[in-house]
Amino acid sequence: AQKITQTQPGMFVQEKEAVTLDCTYDTSDPSYGLFWYKQPSSGEMIFLIYQGSYDQQNATEGRYSLNFQKARKSANLVISASQLGDSAMYFCAMRDTSGTYKYIFGTGTRLKVLA
Amino acid sequence: NAGVTQTPKFRILKIGQSMTLQCTQDMNHNYMYWYRQDPGMGLKLIYYSVGAGITDKGEVPNGYNVSRSTTEDFPLRLELAAPSQTSVYFCASSLLTGGNTEAFFGQGTRLTVV
Repeated sequence: AQKITQTQPGMFVQEKEAVTLDCTYDTSDPSYGLFWYKQPSSGEMIFLIYQGSYDQQNATEGRYSLNFQKARKSANLVISASQLGDSAMYFCAMRDTSGTYKYIFGTGTRLKVLA
Repeated sequence: NAGVTQTPKFRILKIGQSMTLQCTQDMNHNYMYWYRQDPGMGLKLIYYSVGAGITDKGEVPNGYNVSRSTTEDFPLRLELAAPSQTSVYFCASSLLTGGNTEAFFGQGTRLTVV
């Protein structure tokens, strides 16, 4: 069965510093997609970044980058130059693209950016 | 475009009551999903649909029913509400194919069963 594990319930980072949020996954499917979503206190789910299992390079979107290590089955989110507005819950998710196309979510990491 | 629209945003139900959470999307997405998010937890899949007329169970389907009569709409029905169904419910949609096929989420419905 597919599984996403986020082992950091909460993280603190100083404003303007970089922070890494951990995500490991488990799947036997050869084809899958990995996603990160942000959920601010207002509750909506905001898509941040995507990495495909066959992508050779790590994905980047502005201040977000995904450190994808396929052999270790990890897909960590790196946020550079943290801002106060980055304080939120962050979810790692995986989508099976060779079968049911469901999205499986981790339990999330709550990030607090300190001024 | 409106994207994914959920109604209502908030609802309080009494134990044993029933209700339908509405979800509609205007992006012509094949896939639609219902998730629930318990406090401090991740999202758990209730039901999903790959297209009109086709639905399937997710991780936590007990106590819920869905239908998909059109591409746009995917209502979630709660029968005989229980306190364990107190949660935030998210509807989402996505395309069938394409590498960068993220799920688009509605704003959520906060349901309290008392």
